[in-house]
Amino acid sequence: SQKIEQNSEALNIQEGKTATLTCNYTNYSPAYLQWYRQDPGRGPVFLLLIRENEKEKRKERLKVTFDTTLKQSLFHITASQPADSATYLCALRGMRFGAGTRLTVKP
Amino acid sequence: DVKVTQSSRYLVKRTGEKVFLECVQDMDHENMFWYRQDPGLGLRLIYFSYDVKMKEKGDIPEGYSVSREKKERFSLILESASTNQTSMYLCASSLQIDSYGYTFGSGTRLTVV
Repeated sequence: SQKIEQNSEALNIQEGKTATLTCNYTNYSPAYLQWYRQDPGRGPVFLLLIRENEKEKRKERLKVTFDTTLKQSLFHITASQPADSATYLCALRGMRFGAGTRLTVKP
Repeated sequence: DVKVTQSSRYLVKRTGEKVFLECVQDMDHENMFWYRQDPGLGLRLIYFSYDVKMKEKGDIPEGYSVSREKKERFSLILESASTNQTSMYLCASSLQIDSYGYTFGSGTRLTVV
């Protein structure tokens, strides 16, 4: 069956460092993959979409990579700030979501 | 900004009740979605709709039905609520199923007692 996994439930880093979150999938060949941010008690907010023919996508301090051979996407937040603390979700075409990684950025 | 509005933030219903969760979007999006979110399980797709009166089952449609009579409104119906349907329910909309991000509502936390 199709699976999408975010292999860290929680990640703690120091302010100013780069946070790297991982999303792996199996038994699926997605045309694209999405990343979302979710704050407690709120709905997810769309951040970035990367297509299978794109190796890398950037938006301000965010960078996403997509390796269809490894079946993996990496999500990076550079120069992280306490305000970046949230749960980050990856999704295959919006249909199947990972359980999320809760990022905490400590001052 | 696109807005997706869910009619209730919190709901408490009794077992066996028929429950309606309403979702309205204001950006003329073709596609609308209902998910539930449970700790450790992430978001799971219940139903989606790509046009008025059209619906498709997601991964966990059992115990649920949907209605889309107007483009802007997508309703989730729990025919006979059960305690295992206690969850956070999230509605989303999208201009296209592919190639765009989805816009989510703030969610409805449903408790079935």
